[in-house]
Formats: sequence, C-alpha cells, structure tokens
Amino acid sequence: DSGVTQTPKHLITATGQRVTLRCSPRSGDLSVYWYQQSLDQGLQFLIQYYNGEERAKGNILERFSAQQFPDLHSELNLSSLELGDSALYFCASSVGAGAAKNIQYFGAGTRLSVL
Amino acid sequence: ELKVEQNPLFLSMQEGKNYTIYCNYSTTSDRLYWYRQDPGKSLESLFVLLSNGAVKQEGRLMASLDTKARLSTLHITAAVHDLSATYFCAVDIRDFGNEKLTFGTGTRLTIIP
Repeated sequence: DSGVTQTPKHLITATGQRVTLRCSPRSGDLSVYWYQQSLDQGLQFLIQYYNGEERAKGNILERFSAQQFPDLHSELNLSSLELGDSALYFCASSVGAGAAKNIQYFGAGTRLSVL
Repeated sequence: ELKVEQNPLFLSMQEGKNYTIYCNYSTTSDRLYWYRQDPGKSLESLFVLLSNGAVKQEGRLMASLDTKARLSTLHITAAVHDLSATYFCAVDIRDFGNEKLTFGTGTRLTIIP
C-alpha cells in the first residue's frame, strides 16, 4: 500500500458527461501529481500541485481541471467527456519542494470508461 | 523537450536467464527512477538513481546510471516468474515546481517457466 488513496476505482459514464476523481496524498506529502495512462499515449503527466498551488502543467486538455484543497487532497475534474478520455488516471504524491529523492508514490488509479 | 526511450518494448525470457532493459533520455536530468507495474495495477517504486555511476540492487534486480551517456540499465539476474511485469524508467529535474516525471514507453517482461 503506497499510502495514496484514489476514489472511485472505476467510473463508467457517457460522452458529454462530467466526472470528478479524488486523491488523498500520503501523510506529510505536499505535492500531488495527476497522470493519465492509455494504450496509445502511455503515461502522460497532466498537472502538479504543491501545498494548494498549481506548479506545473503537462498536456492537460482545457476540458480538464484540478485543484488541491487546504487539507491537501486533490480533485481532477473531467468535463464534456469523449470516448478518447477513457483511460487509467493515476494520482501520485511526494514530499516535493526540491527534495533530494522526491520519490512519487502512486495510488491505485481510477479506471474511466466513457461509453 | 525531455524524451525518454526504453528498449526493448517487449521481452520474453526463460526462468534462470539474465537480461538487461535500457533507458535513454534526451537531456540532462537530475533523477532517474525505475517503477514496476503489474497488469491493471498501480506503479511501484523500485529504485531512484541520483548521480553518475550510481548502482542500486534489490534481489534479482540491479539498476545503474551513466549520466554522461544519458543511459540507465535495469539488469535482471536469474529471472523468476514473479518478475513478470511492465517496467518503466522515468526522469525528472530537481527544480522546484518542475518535478513532473517523464516516463519511458515501458518494457513488458514475461518470464516463461
């Protein structure tokens, strides 16, 4: 168990809908990262938050947004869903802030299926 | 843009044999990570390599880093079935606010009895 909790484990929804994925980081970790894993794109970085502030953005679609709350949990919002958004979405957390190793610990993922 | 390449993409090997997975990256990086992923599961951290010449070993797996060649290797010794998984290397830059991981394509390893 990595200590990173993601809910839900599975989501099945229809095109055009909106969903929210939730992540609770490991105790003491201030950085939260979101990644998307799909067969054609591999593992892609979406966005990073550190202590409530957005720190880095990857190839995240405008239809996607995220935030990190004062208790450090994070949510990834996906809207106007398309078939191509079906993927495994991972949250990871780390100490961040330039720590020497900064190992990212991954949650179990949320498998999103858009029908 | 930082790019990470792994080879081979697929590797099928017999139990008891040795093999090496290669990871090349395109620009200077501060940290090199190896992760393992079982089918449909999460990513498990195996090693983090921080400096040129770094070598880490855990059981039948050994990882090394050559920063001058921008190359890391994951060596498997006397493979056993339990090592069947997909292995990813990833790199990042030790720069506050820019610590995203850039992953390689992964190597799907299958150990045949």
